[in-house]
Amino acid sequence: DTGVSQDPRHKITKRGQNVTFRCDPISEHNRLYWYRQTLGQGPEFLTYFQNEAQLEKSRLLSDRFSAERPKGSFSTLEIQRTEQGDSAMYLCASSPRTEAFFGQGTRLTVV
Amino acid sequence: KQEVTQIPAALSVPEGENLVLNCSFTDSAIYNLQWFRQDPGKGLTSLLLIQSSQREQTSGRLNASLDKSSGRSTLYIAASQPGDSATYLCAVHSGGGADGLTFGKGTHLIIQP
Repeated sequence: DTGVSQDPRHKITKRGQNVTFRCDPISEHNRLYWYRQTLGQGPEFLTYFQNEAQLEKSRLLSDRFSAERPKGSFSTLEIQRTEQGDSAMYLCASSPRTEAFFGQGTRLTVV
Repeated sequence: KQEVTQIPAALSVPEGENLVLNCSFTDSAIYNLQWFRQDPGKGLTSLLLIQSSQREQTSGRLNASLDKSSGRSTLYIAASQPGDSATYLCAVHSGGGADGLTFGKGTHLIIQP
């Protein structure tokens, strides 16, 4: 399968713990995006990478969140000191230029 | 700030009917518009992409139109099937790629067998 891959698919963590998610984009796509989706809402943009450079960050991305894309390949999204409000689906998308292709997401539950 | 609204929020129709889902956006200066399908607990599947210079796109039983000047798009589904049941999301790209997509809340569609 050559689609966008996200790992893990589900994560349950205790409040205050750190979590890290991984996204493997479609190999020839230089653009990579992270979104967050809560129940009943559309996804909300978090951050954007072009190759290894993080070019845009939403105000939703507090200082507890950090994202990297070393060597312009896979990306990681880390949440430090998780809070219950961080419970959501975290979606990764990649794009060659215009059309966005999404992964299956990581469902985070903070208890 | 771009805002995207989808109407209706939910729709339930018998199998075989043709239906229209609506999407409106507040800032007409868009780069493109994309329709997605989302099954419960899953990621998004791209259905159709319309560039700002285009008026419509078709794929199988799906047809999407774009009227950029009025800030509207419609997704037409012909001869609906139970397998079409899902949430349909409309998203616009307002910049050259750096700012991501702005999504509506979606239309939850149920096709009754």
